[in-house]
Amino acid sequence: DTEVTQTPKHLVMGMTNKKSLKCEQHMGHRAMYWYKQKAKKPPELMFVYSYEKLSINESVPSRFSPECPNSSLLNLHLHALQPEDSALYLCASSDVLGNTGELFFGEGSRLTVL
Amino acid sequence: EDQVTQSPEALRLQEGESSSLNCSYTVSGLRGLFWYRQDPGKGPEFLFTLYSAGEEKEKERLKATLTKKESFLHITAPKPEDSATYLCAVRKGATGRRALTFGSGTRLQVQP
Repeated sequence: DTEVTQTPKHLVMGMTNKKSLKCEQHMGHRAMYWYKQKAKKPPELMFVYSYEKLSINESVPSRFSPECPNSSLLNLHLHALQPEDSALYLCASSDVLGNTGELFFGEGSRLTVL
Repeated sequence: EDQVTQSPEALRLQEGESSSLNCSYTVSGLRGLFWYRQDPGKGPEFLFTLYSAGEEKEKERLKATLTKKESFLHITAPKPEDSATYLCAVRKGATGRRALTFGSGTRLQVQP
């Protein structure tokens, strides 16, 4: 079982809706990530939080708004999305200190924009 | 420009037929090369981390190796449950930037 939990597993929304994806980890990790994955493509980095502060934004459109309320939680707020934003959204976490580098991924949230 | 390229794109093996997957990279300041396995509709599952040329890691039927330009994932006597997409990823950069850049993956199918 994955130790990174993402909800919901599936989400269907219209282009005018506002919704949120949630991610939770209890491994004491201080870095958390959002990746986007289209079918048969590799995951693409969107955002990185380190110690609850946004450290990387890979030029993601403002209709995606990340939030890290505390060290265990990561949200991705969605507003006015386009059909091309339909994808699997993956959350991951890692230990900031140390040198293992391993990212632990959640199962993902499958988003469909109509 | 940094690049991570995996080959082949897809591979079909018979059960027990050993083979290798390739990940070639051109990255400045490499801080680790990672192999992940991903089942359809699921998140990537960590397999190995390699940090320096000559390093090898093994886990059950899988063995990962690293040179200065590429990494191989060797699969010995694969079973149908090894069918998945295998992703190679690299990490680079200063301390605190732990994001990974992924290759396009190899879709492996093992037939009984």
